[in-house]
Amino acid sequence: DAMVIQNPRYQVTQFGKPVTLSCSQTLNHNVMYWYQQKSSQAPKLLFHYYDKDFNNEADTPDNFQSRRPNTSFCFLDIRSPGLGDAAMYLCATSRAERDPQHFGDGTRLSIL
Amino acid sequence: GQNIDQPTEMTATEGAIVQINCTYQTSGFNGLFWYQQHAGEAPTFLSYNVLDGLEEKGRFSSFLSRSKGYSYLLLKELQMKDSASYLCAVRPSNDYKLSFGAGTTVTVRA
Repeated sequence: DAMVIQNPRYQVTQFGKPVTLSCSQTLNHNVMYWYQQKSSQAPKLLFHYYDKDFNNEADTPDNFQSRRPNTSFCFLDIRSPGLGDAAMYLCATSRAERDPQHFGDGTRLSIL
Repeated sequence: GQNIDQPTEMTATEGAIVQINCTYQTSGFNGLFWYQQHAGEAPTFLSYNVLDGLEEKGRFSSFLSRSKGYSYLLLKELQMKDSASYLCAVRPSNDYKLSFGAGTTVTVRA
């Protein structure tokens, strides 16, 4: 049974058109993360929530925002996608700081 | 910044053993993880080392030397389904964020 669910698996949007990616979890984990992963590169952390506390990475573009309305759901909003934002976006959760992170299957974003 | 290095690609034969090395230079150390990622899929957790030594889990083993900033993942009795990317990730001290390496793509050939 999927425990970290990302929708959709594939998303196509137009240059500059806002897009929202969603993540839900059935694990009741405190921490949720969003990563960006480009081909043959390491996953790059964009931001994470510890409960409702939002933590933005210093080099995450302002174009990227996130919302966590409750424990189960977290959203990634890209306000004005550029061609360089085409990537796989991975959501992950962990119960606490010493636990492994559990990843969803990712959303592959394409920009036309 | 954090620096995690691992080889880009490795090829091995079905039934053989492959060792994937990972070296790291980080601001601190609070554990090292190995993940497996098949193409187009999510990374899945394989192993966790926080103390020096070898952790064995079936066909997979992971080793850590904190003094050398070095770890390896050992895959034994390779199977075709082991063809995947293997990601080394370090958690710096007092920070539960992970810094990932770019991954090592392992190709298993018959």
